[in-house]
Amino acid sequence: AQSVSQHNHHVILSEAASLELGCNYSYGGTVNLFWYVQYPGQHLQLLLKYFSGDPLVKGIKGFEAEFIKSKFSFNLRKPSVQWSDTAEYFCAVNARNYGQNFVFGPGTRLSVLP
Amino acid sequence: DAGVIQSPRHEVTEMGQEVTLRCKPISGHDYLFWYRQTMMRGLELLIYFNNNVPIDDSGMPEDRFSAKMPNASFSTLKIQPSEPRDSAVYFCASSLGGGAKTGELFFGEGSRLTVL
Repeated sequence: AQSVSQHNHHVILSEAASLELGCNYSYGGTVNLFWYVQYPGQHLQLLLKYFSGDPLVKGIKGFEAEFIKSKFSFNLRKPSVQWSDTAEYFCAVNARNYGQNFVFGPGTRLSVLP
Repeated sequence: DAGVIQSPRHEVTEMGQEVTLRCKPISGHDYLFWYRQTMMRGLELLIYFNNNVPIDDSGMPEDRFSAKMPNASFSTLKIQPSEPRDSAVYFCASSLGGGAKTGELFFGEGSRLTVL
């Protein structure tokens, strides 16, 4: 069965600090990878996705993620965070042989201090 | 284009009552998902449909939970009887699937359920 782990439960940063959130998955086959963001009181929204091709993908709001197949990882990065990035971030995996079964990680709460 | 629409946004009920949550997916999407989000367990997939047919309901916690999708534009998640431990935010999501490129999930605003 697929599973997704995220390295940090809660990350606290000051504005302009760099961000890296870790995500690892367990599945040996071909996967599609996603990062979703949930702002306080809102629904989940897609930040970025990887299906194939260049392993470095860019998303909205200056976020990017790198897929490293050998490490089963898909880490999220942003060079300089803003207070408005305060949210919960979820990594998700869909293994292509598992149909549309998306598996989400437990989430990482990011607090950015002004 | 309207997104995924859920109702009610908030529901407070007493233990033992029946609860029905509703979802209208994005027009044209052929997959519909029901997720539950709690502090303790995070985001859990309860069930998903493809072309109105339930594909995987292994995440439905118990027989008290049931989900239907009578047509392409409507789905319900019913809890009967409800219990306090069912308190959570229930999200509906839809996607356009097919082939090697899985469609991204589009989430609704969620239905926050409180069972007293």
